[in-house]
Amino acid sequence: DGGITQSPKYLFRKEGQNVTLSCEQNLNHDAMYWYRQDPGQGLRLIYYSQIVNDFQKGDIAEGYSVSREKKESFPLTVTSAQKNPTAFYLCASSQGRIGVRETQYFGPGTRLLVL
Amino acid sequence: AQKITQTQPGMFVQEKEAVTLDCTYDTSDQSYGLFWYKQPSSGEMIFLIYQGSYDEQNATEGRYSLNFQKARKSANLVISASQLGDSAMYFCAMREPAGGTSYGKLTFGQGTILTVHP
Repeated sequence: DGGITQSPKYLFRKEGQNVTLSCEQNLNHDAMYWYRQDPGQGLRLIYYSQIVNDFQKGDIAEGYSVSREKKESFPLTVTSAQKNPTAFYLCASSQGRIGVRETQYFGPGTRLLVL
Repeated sequence: AQKITQTQPGMFVQEKEAVTLDCTYDTSDQSYGLFWYKQPSSGEMIFLIYQGSYDEQNATEGRYSLNFQKARKSANLVISASQLGDSAMYFCAMREPAGGTSYGKLTFGQGTILTVHP
C-alpha cells in the first residue's frame, strides 16, 4: 500500500543535541512538507520541498533544517538552536501540482520530547 | 493574508445524530480550495473532503458534506449519522493559489474537538 511513514514515533532530545526525524513516502509525490503542531493548536509549516534538491522555509523554520536528496525522503533535523522543540511533528506529501485542489496527505507523526 | 477560524473548541453529539462543525475563512483570492481533515487521538491527519471556490455544488463524501456559503465565506462540515469512531479533532484548511515561485500555502484553523456520545 502506498503511504507516508515517519520514524520514530517518539523521540527524546537532550539539551544541546541535534535530532533527525525521518519521513518517507512511496506515493511518487513531488512535494513534501513538515509541520509542527503544539497541544490544542493547528499546524504550522516548517519547511516544504516542491522537487528534489530544492526546499523553502515555511513560517517557523528557525532552529530546523531539511534535505531533499531523494524524491521519497525528506528528513527534518531539529537543531540545538530550536529552544522549544517539544511538539508533534507531521510530514505530508502531495503531487506537486499548482492548482488549489492539490491535496496533502499526512504521515502518522513523531512526538518529540525534551529531557 | 489568509485566515481560517473555527469558533467551536469542542462539540458534543449523540450517536446516530448529525453534527455541523463551523469554519469561516478570509481571503482576497478568487480561486482557493477548502479542505477538512480529521485527527484521531493517534495523531495522523486524515483527509475528508474538498471544496473548490468555483464549485457550484456542495461537496459530499459518504457521511461527510460541506455546506459552502461563498458570500458568507463559510465552509461548514456536516457529519450525518455520527458514529463513536467520529470522535476526533477536526481541522478546516484553505489552500491559496500558487504564484511565481511560491507554492499554494495550506493554512489551518485551530481545530474543533468532536465527542460522540453513545
